[in-house]
Amino acid sequence: KAGVTQTPRYLIKTRGQQVTLSCSPISGHRSVSWYQQTPGQGLQFLFEYFSETQRNKGNFPGRFSGRQFSNSRSEMNVSTLELGDSALYLCASSFGGGEGYGYTFGSGTRLTVV
Amino acid sequence: AQTVTQSQPEMSVQEAETVTLSCTYDTSENNYYLFWYKQPPSRQMILVIRQEAYKQQNATENRFSVNFQKAAKSFSLKISDSQLGDTAMYFCAFMKPQGGSEKLVFGKGTKLTVNP
Repeated sequence: KAGVTQTPRYLIKTRGQQVTLSCSPISGHRSVSWYQQTPGQGLQFLFEYFSETQRNKGNFPGRFSGRQFSNSRSEMNVSTLELGDSALYLCASSFGGGEGYGYTFGSGTRLTVV
Repeated sequence: AQTVTQSQPEMSVQEAETVTLSCTYDTSENNYYLFWYKQPPSRQMILVIRQEAYKQQNATENRFSVNFQKAAKSFSLKISDSQLGDTAMYFCAFMKPQGGSEKLVFGKGTKLTVNP
C-alpha cells in the first residue's frame, strides 16, 4: 500500500512569504503529526491532528499552523517566513496517534528560505 | 519534560561486524515507549525497533536488538552483521502515552557509516 506522501519535495521561498506543505497519510490512518528537522535543533514536534482536530501542539510561534481535512490529508502553513524556518519538514501518520506502535513517516519537504 | 541524549554524534563499523549505538533518556514516567528510527539519505524516517517500558524482555528485529535498562534509563541499539545499507542517521525517540495525542521526543542522532 502507498506510504505517507509529502509534497512538494523541495521548496525555495523568499523571506516574508508564506508557504503551504501537504501530507497524505497512509490509507486508514487518521492521525497526522508534523516535525521540523534542523541541524541545530534536531527533530522538533510541531503539531498533531486527528479527525480534523488539533490535539497536540509543540512550542512554535503562531506563524506555524496546520489543518486536516475529512480525508485525513493535512497541510501545514508557515506565514511571514524567516531564514530560520529553513528545514526539513516531516509528516508522520498512524491509526489513532502513536499508541506505542510508532509512526510512519514521509520523505519530507525541504524548505529553503532565502 | 522528557529529554533524550545520544552521546555519539558519529560512528563507523566494518561490514559484517557488530556496532552498538547509545541512548539515554530522562523521564519521571513509569509507562512509556522507546524507539529507534533510521534516516537514510532518502530522508524518510524508518522505524527500526520499539520497546515497551513495562516489558522486561529486550526487543529484537532480525539483526537489530536493544539493551533496555529501565533503572539506568538506557536504551542502546545493537546492529549485528552490519551491511552497507545500514549506513544512515539513527535516532532514539521517547513517547509517553497520552490517550492518542502522543508526540515523539528525539535525540540528536548518531551518524553511522558502514565501511566495505
